[in-house]
Amino acid sequence: SQQGEEDPQALSIQEGENATMNCSYKTSINNLQWYRQNSGRGLVHLILIRSNEREKHSGRLRVTLDTSKKSSSLLITASRAADTASYFCATDETGGGNKLTFGTGTQLKVEL
Amino acid sequence: EPEVTQTPSHQVTQMGQEVILRCVPISNHLYFYWYRQILGQKVEFLVSFYNNEISEKSEIFDDQFSVERPDGSNFTLKIRSTKLEDSAMYFCASSERTNARGYTFGSGTRLTVV
Repeated sequence: SQQGEEDPQALSIQEGENATMNCSYKTSINNLQWYRQNSGRGLVHLILIRSNEREKHSGRLRVTLDTSKKSSSLLITASRAADTASYFCATDETGGGNKLTFGTGTQLKVEL
Repeated sequence: EPEVTQTPSHQVTQMGQEVILRCVPISNHLYFYWYRQILGQKVEFLVSFYNNEISEKSEIFDDQFSVERPDGSNFTLKIRSTKLEDSAMYFCASSERTNARGYTFGSGTRLTVV
């Protein structure tokens, strides 16, 4: 698998439900970040979790990181139609300079 | 909230022409980047720039590409002799010194080569 693969590729839920997206990666990292992208628009930084952190919260977002499994999850609670977007994980690899390596993304659709 | 500004939002160019994509990073950020996203594909790293020089570049960033910070505020990506496969969304981003808070991306320039 490639660095930064998300699953599922697509997720459709009802408003009010929780959405969980997973990301796997292959290398050692300094941190892992989640970004959101509305269709055809720019990337918006959501949350960053450092390699020595296991869980982080920001509003309705909860991110976990398991460096032993090289995986992360993003949970959006009480989803809203406005959460409809693509979500990408991105890793800041150890020794990888300061660039980010993006995953393939999860397309989330929240229906009314 | 500070923003990264990119212009133009959409550029159409003839194959073989040169294009310059412009970006104004956040003023107190020290690292600048260009990424691209071909339609339906991953966001790919092109180049990072620090202290007025390229700090890292990907295999994509060949001699066709160049970056410049011509003054204290602008950061440009030049693509010489554009090809059809250069059609993509190009994102500029900037970050603070340690990237401890993530990047701030611009809204992108959609480049269409015809």
